[in-house]
Amino acid sequence: KNQVEQSPQSLIILEGKNCTLQCNYTVSPFSNLRWYKQDTGRGPVSLTIMTFSENTKSNGRYTATLDADTKQSSLHITASQLSDSASYICVVSGADSWGKLQFGAGTQVVVTP
Amino acid sequence: GAGVSQSPSNKVTEKGKDVELRCDPISGHTALYWYRQSLGQGLEFLIYFQGNSAPDKSGLPSDRFSAERTGGSVSTLTIQRTQQEDSAVYLCAGGGRPGVQETQYFGPGTRLLVL
Repeated sequence: KNQVEQSPQSLIILEGKNCTLQCNYTVSPFSNLRWYKQDTGRGPVSLTIMTFSENTKSNGRYTATLDADTKQSSLHITASQLSDSASYICVVSGADSWGKLQFGAGTQVVVTP
Repeated sequence: GAGVSQSPSNKVTEKGKDVELRCDPISGHTALYWYRQSLGQGLEFLIYFQGNSAPDKSGLPSDRFSAERTGGSVSTLTIQRTQQEDSAVYLCAGGGRPGVQETQYFGPGTRLLVL
């Protein structure tokens, strides 16, 4: 069973609107959680990295939150742009497995004019 | 170089042939990771190198898969006797010494199609 679950699988939003992506994980013990953006045909690009002690982290119009107690994270995209169309992947690292990351299946976001 | 490079960018091969995929990480990145992304699936961890040694190769799907790294730099992933289910995008990522805040920098990937 995948230890990182993302929702929704995909979503379509209008340019300029906000959206929130969800990530639930069961990886334990927990080390850190990352959000990546992957454009079609490209490698993933890191957006944020958070440890258990961090509740929120921002990178421009992207804001990630983390609740290590409930093992949930969200990625909020503000004032979406056409260039935000991509797959957003949640990645969790366990504290006992350095280098080995557990990947979610991703949320495919399509921003329309 | 400015980023992680991988070669070839695309590879089409016949079932049963061997293939070799190459990754050139960013200079100075001691950690190197290989992942596989099948169509419509999430990323799957294969193996990770710290320097030239591989502390974790638990993700390699079978003994047909092997990887090595030389000089703490270039890495090659070899797939022997390829099967159709090996068709996927193989991604390489480099980073500093694994740690809590390590950022991984991904290459563009090698798209492998086994006919």
